Amino acid sequence: AQSVAQPEDQVNVAEGNPLTVKCTYSVSGNPYLFWYVQYPNRGLQFLLKYITGDNLVKGSYGFEAEFNKSQTSFHLKKPSALVSDSALYFCAVRWHNNNDMRFGAGTRLTVKP
Amino acid sequence: NAGVTQTPKFRVLKTGQSMTLLCAQDMNHEYMYWYRQDPGMGLRLIHYSVGEGTTAKGEVPDGYNVSRLKKQNFLLGLESAAPSQTSVYFCASRSHRGTEAFFGQGTRLTVV
Repeated sequence: AQSVAQPEDQVNVAEGNPLTVKCTYSVSGNPYLFWYVQYPNRGLQFLLKYITGDNLVKGSYGFEAEFNKSQTSFHLKKPSALVSDSALYFCAVRWHNNNDMRFGAGTRLTVKP
Repeated sequence: NAGVTQTPKFRVLKTGQSMTLLCAQDMNHEYMYWYRQDPGMGLRLIHYSVGEGTTAKGEVPDGYNVSRLKKQNFLLGLESAAPSQTSVYFCASRSHRGTEAFFGQGTRLTVV
């Protein structure tokens, strides 16, 4: 069965430092990969996606993610973190031949001033 | 520009009571989803629909029923609520050609 894992419950970084939030997925066919962000008491907001093509995708608010097929990973990155980036981040996967979409458990990012 | 709207936003139920959560989208999307969000477990898929009149089970369908009588609406029903169904419920939709989903603001349900 398709699945996605976020190995870190919590990531702490200092403002201005680079950040990485990790995501891996189970191997089965060709995946669509997504990152969403959730602020307190809000729904999820789409950040970026990988469908095909260039392995490095750029999204909203300066975030980017790199698709690595050999490592089945799709880590979220940002060169310089902001305090306002503090939120809950979810990785999601959907396979081309499947209509449902599965999410990881989420990673809470805290950026300290 | 409403997007995905969930009704109600908050609800407290007693064990054994029933209720229906409504999700409405105004983007003419084909696909609609219901998730529940619990601490440390992320979002788990309950049921989804690939079009009007169709529904399918997700990861955690037990205790829930759904209906998609109109393209724009996706209803989630709890026939006999249990404390284990205390959660935050999110609805999402996406177009047939598009890939990313759009989410509602969530419904916080407490079953006592």
